[in-house]
Amino acid sequence: SQTIHQWPATLVQPVGSPLSLECTVEGTSNPNLYWYRQAAGRGLQLLFYSVGIGQISSEVPQNLSASRPQDRQFILSSKKLLLSDSGFYLCAWSQKSSGRTDTQYFGPGTRLTVL
Amino acid sequence: QKEVEQDPGPLSVPEGAIVSLNCTYSNSAFQYFMWYRQYSRKGPELLMYTYSSGNKEDGRFTAQVDKSSKYISLFIRDSQPSDSATYLCAISDSWGKLQFGAGTQVVVTP
Repeated sequence: SQTIHQWPATLVQPVGSPLSLECTVEGTSNPNLYWYRQAAGRGLQLLFYSVGIGQISSEVPQNLSASRPQDRQFILSSKKLLLSDSGFYLCAWSQKSSGRTDTQYFGPGTRLTVL
Repeated sequence: QKEVEQDPGPLSVPEGAIVSLNCTYSNSAFQYFMWYRQYSRKGPELLMYTYSSGNKEDGRFTAQVDKSSKYISLFIRDSQPSDSATYLCAISDSWGKLQFGAGTQVVVTP
């Protein structure tokens, strides 16, 4: 079966510090990968998605970036965090399916607080 | 206007009652409809998935889609305190991008 991991689970960082969140998927190959942010009491905002190694699409202009150095590894980064970057960050994966979406499966999330 | 609208609640019901949740959407190109359950401080987990108008049942859960009205619903029968969570609807087009509702917080009181 497939498993998705995220770490760290919780992070408190000062404004202006760098960020690196990691997501890995087990039990599947060549998945689509996604990064979402969920602000308190709000829905999920898609930040980045990737259909393959080195292929990243950005949905929202911001000071965050994403990379996919390996097939099942997805990293979210920032050089300098802002207060507004606080939130719950979720990684998700889906299987590729010709011509249509497949459901997305979410990791446990990372709660980021920027002070 | 958001593409997917969902009442944020909270929705409080007594144990054993039927929980009724719904979302409306604006884009008729949307074809796939999902409901996720999210417990506090956890990632969302998939509950139901459907792509056609009509009803789909899975245990105590029923998902309903009305494409002509652009309206989807989730019903939870015989609700339990363990059903207390936030329920997110998610809708996608054929390109695979999901649009999420804001989520409805449900509280089932013993």
